[in-house]
Amino acid sequence: DTEVTQTPKHLVMGMTNKKSLKCEQHMGHRAMYWYKQKAKKPPELMFVYSYEKLSINESVPSRFSPECPNSSLLNLHLHALQPEDSALYLCASSQDEGLGTEAFFGQGTRLTVV
Amino acid sequence: GENVEQHPSTLSVQEGDSAVIKCTYSDSASNYFPWYKQELGKGPQLIIDIRSNVGEKKDQRIAVTLNKTAKHFSLHITETQPEDSAVYFCAASMPGNQFYFGTGTSLTVIP
Repeated sequence: DTEVTQTPKHLVMGMTNKKSLKCEQHMGHRAMYWYKQKAKKPPELMFVYSYEKLSINESVPSRFSPECPNSSLLNLHLHALQPEDSALYLCASSQDEGLGTEAFFGQGTRLTVV
Repeated sequence: GENVEQHPSTLSVQEGDSAVIKCTYSDSASNYFPWYKQELGKGPQLIIDIRSNVGEKKDQRIAVTLNKTAKHFSLHITETQPEDSAVYFCAASMPGNQFYFGTGTSLTVIP
């Protein structure tokens, strides 16, 4: 099983809303990632969690707040987003951060901010 | 940080022909090079990867080659089929597992 599950698949939210994106994997992976992907562009790294601790934050605005409740779950809390934050948000996981291991991506959440 | 360049940005081939996509990287510390296929509306799917201690790897119609000295790696798809049409991303990763993606190649296989 190499599945990373993301919910919801689509989300429309207003600029004053608070919402959360969820990601789950049961491969025993200890590193989990959030990426943002705009149309016709490569994924851009936002956050990396390693062993449930935030290890990388790529200077992401505070309106994006990640959370890793346990080794299988990763959330991204959204608050006061801007229309330019509309994008495909991808979650990924890998065995660990150490030696360069396969990263598996979920299908993404298509976020539209209105 | 690492800089990954990918060429071409678009590629059209006739069904049955081969397709080649090339990437270069800048940081010699990069040691893992995956390739992802992304279909419209879906997340990237890992299709093949190579580590820096290997020069070539093949999986059925897909192969990847790595030249560490020149810091470039390539994806080769033989006997292309319409279902190979997608956007392909190369990536480079170094210890710490930050993946740096190339800019993507939109491959169209014409039946």
